[in-house]
Amino acid sequence: SQQGEEDPQALSIQEGENATMNCSYKTSINNLQWYRQNSGRGLVHLILIRSNEREKHSGRLRVTLDTSKKSSSLLITASRAADTASYFCATSTSGTYKYIFGTGTRLKVLA
Amino acid sequence: SAVISQKPSRDICQRGTSLTIQCQVDSQVTMMFWYRQQPGQSLTLIATANQGSEATYESGFVIDKFPISRPNLTFSTLTVSNMSPEDSSIYLCSGRDAHEQYFGPGTRLTVT
Repeated sequence: SQQGEEDPQALSIQEGENATMNCSYKTSINNLQWYRQNSGRGLVHLILIRSNEREKHSGRLRVTLDTSKKSSSLLITASRAADTASYFCATSTSGTYKYIFGTGTRLKVLA
Repeated sequence: SAVISQKPSRDICQRGTSLTIQCQVDSQVTMMFWYRQQPGQSLTLIATANQGSEATYESGFVIDKFPISRPNLTFSTLTVSNMSPEDSSIYLCSGRDAHEQYFGPGTRLTVT
């Protein structure tokens, strides 16, 4: 079962533009992670944000978390063609140790 | 960080047969999990592999179809039993420590 839903399902932008992806989830969480998956490849961990944090940065990535709205966003600034991939949020709910994945956003960055 | 390897990386199997996938972590992890990713889809959690005891399965997955072992803190196996074409998917092993969750490269299974 999916804990999170992401939107948009697909996003196509020009190189240099910013890309924003949103993740909404249903139940209280301990933390939330964002992953990238290039076509046919494994998952790459991007950022972990804990339930008591509101924002985290890593290079060109910015993640926000709003626990009152049960939502998170991933912003990729100054996108590059190499950012073309699927992006997933995964949540760990209170009282469990497992991560449940969202539906994913397919990002295409056009050169 | 932990590095996870899986064997085989891919296989093509006939309907009705079984395949065992091995997962090896290069360091001890507290938790291990098995996920399935069908073509073009997100990851679905199959089960939590518990060391020395029966795995904990998610809704829709049963032990008879997906028996799992975890004899120690760094190794686990997933068997896909009595396969049908609907089992064609990528199966991913995952391990979690205090810092983050890591994923293996996946095993691409095709059932004909």
